[in-house]
Amino acid sequence: KNQVEQSPQSLIILEGKNCTLQCNYTVSPFSNLRWYKQDTGRGPVSLTIMTFSENTKSNGRYTATLDADTKQSSLHITASQLSDSASYICVVSAGTNAGKSTFGDGTTLTVKP
Amino acid sequence: DADVTQTPRNRITKTGKRIMLECSQTKGHDRMYWYRQDPGLGLRLIYYSFDVKDINKGEISDGYSVSRQAQAKFSLSLESAIPNQTALYFCATSARQGSYGYTFGSGTRLTVV
Repeated sequence: KNQVEQSPQSLIILEGKNCTLQCNYTVSPFSNLRWYKQDTGRGPVSLTIMTFSENTKSNGRYTATLDADTKQSSLHITASQLSDSASYICVVSAGTNAGKSTFGDGTTLTVKP
Repeated sequence: DADVTQTPRNRITKTGKRIMLECSQTKGHDRMYWYRQDPGLGLRLIYYSFDVKDINKGEISDGYSVSRQAQAKFSLSLESAIPNQTALYFCATSARQGSYGYTFGSGTRLTVV
């Protein structure tokens, strides 16, 4: 069974600090891995998309890494801001069928002043 | 205008009532999805459609039905609403090439009393 596990479940950090969120998956055959940011009560918004051949991708202060051998991904947030407070969701797709995507339960990040 | 528009944004309905949630998109995407999100949990797939004539059940389709009226419109119906269907519902779209990821609507908060 395809699974995506995210850790930690929740995280509290001070504004300006860095943090790293983890995503482990067992989805096969791997197609791509995406990180989404979901503000409370809003729809998820895409941060990064990585395919098998990519091991790092950045989007401003967000940097995602992918290790396809160990089936792990991380999302690193640099110099956190209050607006980074949100849920971060890891989504892994199998083959070329987006309907087969597996969603993680998300990590809830709270950035405090 | 939003790329993916969901109506209504909020709805309170009584147990046993039939209710329809609507989704329209201007992305020109072939694929559309309905997800449900419960507090503290990840997104779960209810139904998905890869084109107007293609409808597929997701992992939690019981108690729900869908209609793909056009490429741009995908509606979700609760035939006889029950309290445990109280949740946040999201519509999403994706291009035929799955690697481009999902575009989500802003969600419909449904409360069944």
